[in-house]
Amino acid sequence: GAVVSQHPSWVICKSGTSVKIECRSLDFQATTMFWYRQFPKQSLMLMATSNEGSKATYEQGVEKDKFLINHASLTLSTLTVTSAHPEDSSFYICSAWGADGYTFGSGTRLTVV
Amino acid sequence: GENVEQHPSTLSVQEGDSAVIKCTYSDSASNYFPWYKQELGKRPQLIIDIRSNVGEKKDQRIAVTLNKTAKHFSLHITETQPEDSAVYFCAARTAGTASKLTFGTGTRLQVTL
Repeated sequence: GAVVSQHPSWVICKSGTSVKIECRSLDFQATTMFWYRQFPKQSLMLMATSNEGSKATYEQGVEKDKFLINHASLTLSTLTVTSAHPEDSSFYICSAWGADGYTFGSGTRLTVV
Repeated sequence: GENVEQHPSTLSVQEGDSAVIKCTYSDSASNYFPWYKQELGKRPQLIIDIRSNVGEKKDQRIAVTLNKTAKHFSLHITETQPEDSAVYFCAARTAGTASKLTFGTGTRLQVTL
């Protein structure tokens, strides 16, 4: 079946630095990529939706200048958390839309210290 | 936008008993309703889904029912096993094949021996 590879699986960074998370669809073309954030014991909250070659659409309350999304090709989408702060610590998961429906990445645990 | 409510937030059942989780949605245009199982620190796994033109779907011990008029859908797990213990999320998708999923708040299911 469809596979989305997400890296890194976990990352610790210092406050004020930037972190890039990458999601790659391995055997299919992901026309649309969804980026979610999940705080402990909470649900998946959609941050933004991106389509290949166009600007991402951000959900209300999500700072587009802080969470930069690039969907430059049909197999690769990246999320960059800029100037990270401890409150950005969370589990970030991508979900690609393709022929098999929604395929989730394995998630990235971000800890900002 | 779509709003999905999920109940209960926690559910404890004895092994072999049935478990039922209920969700309601707000957007009558929603047409796809998946259920996901998520273990700690892992990606959500699709366990069953239903489309708006179907009232019920079953896959071995798992079944989902949909009442479009009342805008609610339910997950039924029969003959529960300890490995069914996890967090379960319902979701709803508004019309459009690559539209975003809106997730419910989650149900923590504990199956005790």
